[in-house]
Amino acid sequence: DAGVIQSPRHEVTEMGQEVTLRCKPISGHDYLFWYRQTMMRGLELLIYFNNNVPIDDSGMPEDRFSAKMPNASFSTLKIQPSEPRDSAVYFCASSLVWGNRLAEQFFGPGTRLTVL
Amino acid sequence: ILNVEQSPQSLHVQEGDSTNFTCSFPSSNFYALHWYRWETAKSPEALFVMTLNGDEKKKGRISATLNTKEGYSYLYIKGSQPEDSATYLCASRQASGGGADGLTFGKGTHLIIQP
Repeated sequence: DAGVIQSPRHEVTEMGQEVTLRCKPISGHDYLFWYRQTMMRGLELLIYFNNNVPIDDSGMPEDRFSAKMPNASFSTLKIQPSEPRDSAVYFCASSLVWGNRLAEQFFGPGTRLTVL
Repeated sequence: ILNVEQSPQSLHVQEGDSTNFTCSFPSSNFYALHWYRWETAKSPEALFVMTLNGDEKKKGRISATLNTKEGYSYLYIKGSQPEDSATYLCASRQASGGGADGLTFGKGTHLIIQP
């Protein structure tokens, strides 16, 4: 398996532009997680899905952020409009059976977003 | 808001020496404790998932212990090698009705092994 795939790997955009980050989870994994990594706050959970349904979006910073999972093999995280403080590395992770206490999460390579 | 703390923030160790660092987490509603190894420009990689008080897990030269009553875990590296240089993240998972909450991460311990 190719692992969790994220695109793009790097994104540079200007303030006010829309940004869309993409994630393909490991095939067969029912859970998908979006995280944001910053120096100040470390790795924070933004939202996670189970069987394509958002379960907990309490980590989404504000209405400018939205996430969708239209099918089991694809998810997007959209920021509109983007701001310089959104600059961070965004990770996607997936898990086979997150309800199992010993379940692991498998991380993608991340998207490094820079908003100028 | 959960507080997962890791110390030290960074650590320089001489090649061949052994080292350890700490993760503290809320002991109430504890469900699981995860350790990840994260090399620059790569994905965080799972090392251990621990659930039982007193549990000890080992993978090669790396081992971890867990104390759920007092809310801490130690990660040990024996005979450090340059390839051990990475950021080590711990993450706590708390119990909920469905047992499927997300992970709360510490900020990591950045380990540098000096030849």
